[in-house]
Amino acid sequence: EAGVAQSPRYKIIEKRQSVAFWCNPISGHATLYWYQQILGQGPKLLIQFQNNGVVDDSQLPKDRFSAERLKGVDSTLKIQPAKLEDSAVYLCASSSRQPSSNSPLHFGNGTRLTVT
Amino acid sequence: AQSVTQPDIHITVSEGASLELRCNYSYGATPYLFWYVQSPGQGLQLLLKYFSGDTLVQGIKGFEAEFKRSQSSFNLRKPSVHWSDAAEYFCAVGGYGGSQGNLIFGKGTKLSVKP
Repeated sequence: EAGVAQSPRYKIIEKRQSVAFWCNPISGHATLYWYQQILGQGPKLLIQFQNNGVVDDSQLPKDRFSAERLKGVDSTLKIQPAKLEDSAVYLCASSSRQPSSNSPLHFGNGTRLTVT
Repeated sequence: AQSVTQPDIHITVSEGASLELRCNYSYGATPYLFWYVQSPGQGLQLLLKYFSGDTLVQGIKGFEAEFKRSQSSFNLRKPSVHWSDAAEYFCAVGGYGGSQGNLIFGKGTKLSVKP
């Protein structure tokens, strides 16, 4: 079974520029998550999709961050414009069906963003 | 507010020694508790989880954890550490209908293993 794929692996941009990250979940997984992991901290949930609908985006800074999951498969997370404090690893995760005790999360390897 | 505290930022143990990583949580209802491991440059891998029932849970790679409601703790243990266990360990709490996705993570404990 192929895992969660993310690209790019690394990205360096200047502040006020825009950037986009891509995630391809495990085939058949209906639920997709984007987490932000700042150096020295645990991951923080940004947004959760169930198929192509948003379930929870309460911690997404909507003035600069956006995410979409067209057709309920791949997802894109965008930052525009980027700030220095957005430097972090962005992790994508997926799980099958509804989030439940029998549906563990599978994480991708992440995209490391550096904003200079 | 829900929170997870991992008091130890960095722990070093000798290979073959026992290990205990501490985790304390604050949660209004019955918590769902998780331990994840993250190797450098990798995503997170689930080690074990507690939802209900037996308070001692077994996980992968020889790890176990014990839920103690009276102490609001969920400490991770391993009887004999291997060099390959060197990684960062995250405790997490969640609970929205048993959701494994809407998790609150601790800041992590980095484990180093001496030969």
